[in-house]
Amino acid sequence: AQTVTQSQPEMSVQEAETVTLSCTYDTSESDYYLFWYKQPPSRQMILVIRQEAYKQQNATENRFSVNFQKAAKSFSLKISDSQLGDAAMYFCAYAPWGTNAGKSTFGDGTTLTVKP
Amino acid sequence: DVKVTQSSRYLVKRTGEKVFLECVQDMDHENMFWYRQDPGLGLRLIYFSYDVKMKEKGDIPEGYSVSREKKERFSLILESASTNQTSMYLCASSRSYLQGLREKLFFGSGTQLSVL
Repeated sequence: AQTVTQSQPEMSVQEAETVTLSCTYDTSESDYYLFWYKQPPSRQMILVIRQEAYKQQNATENRFSVNFQKAAKSFSLKISDSQLGDAAMYFCAYAPWGTNAGKSTFGDGTTLTVKP
Repeated sequence: DVKVTQSSRYLVKRTGEKVFLECVQDMDHENMFWYRQDPGLGLRLIYFSYDVKMKEKGDIPEGYSVSREKKERFSLILESASTNQTSMYLCASSRSYLQGLREKLFFGSGTQLSVL
């Protein structure tokens, strides 16, 4: 069975600084998807960024980027120029290729605090 | 704007009661999902549905059932609520993977259920 591990239950960052959230996963598959989701205090989760394992290029979405290391099974999220609105719980998730994103395996989450 | 609406934000029920959690999406999505979110455990899939009247068990279906009579509505049913079902329940929806679109999950704002 696949597992997703987020080793940092809590992280904090100063506003305008950069922070990296860690995620490792375990799988025997060669093709799969990886996701980072953000859950703000409103509780409504939104997709932050998505990576297909066959793509060597790291995904980026504005201030959010990932460092995808397939051999190491690592998928970290970097948030640049942190803003107060980035404060949330962040979940890393894995889904095998060809399956529904809704059937992803989720990590336990990392709570990010942004200090003004 | 895309919407997944969960009928209650907070719910308090007594042990043994039958509980209905409702979820409605307005995006004509084929797939709908129910998760529970517990601290330190991430999100765990309870049930999902890929079409009207179709359902499949997720990772933790025991003690739950679901109903999908209409495409836009997916209900989670706790037949006889127990205290260990106290949790945050999240609903999500997405388009069919078979449509070839880059699948994206849309979440509701969650229902915090307390069973006393």
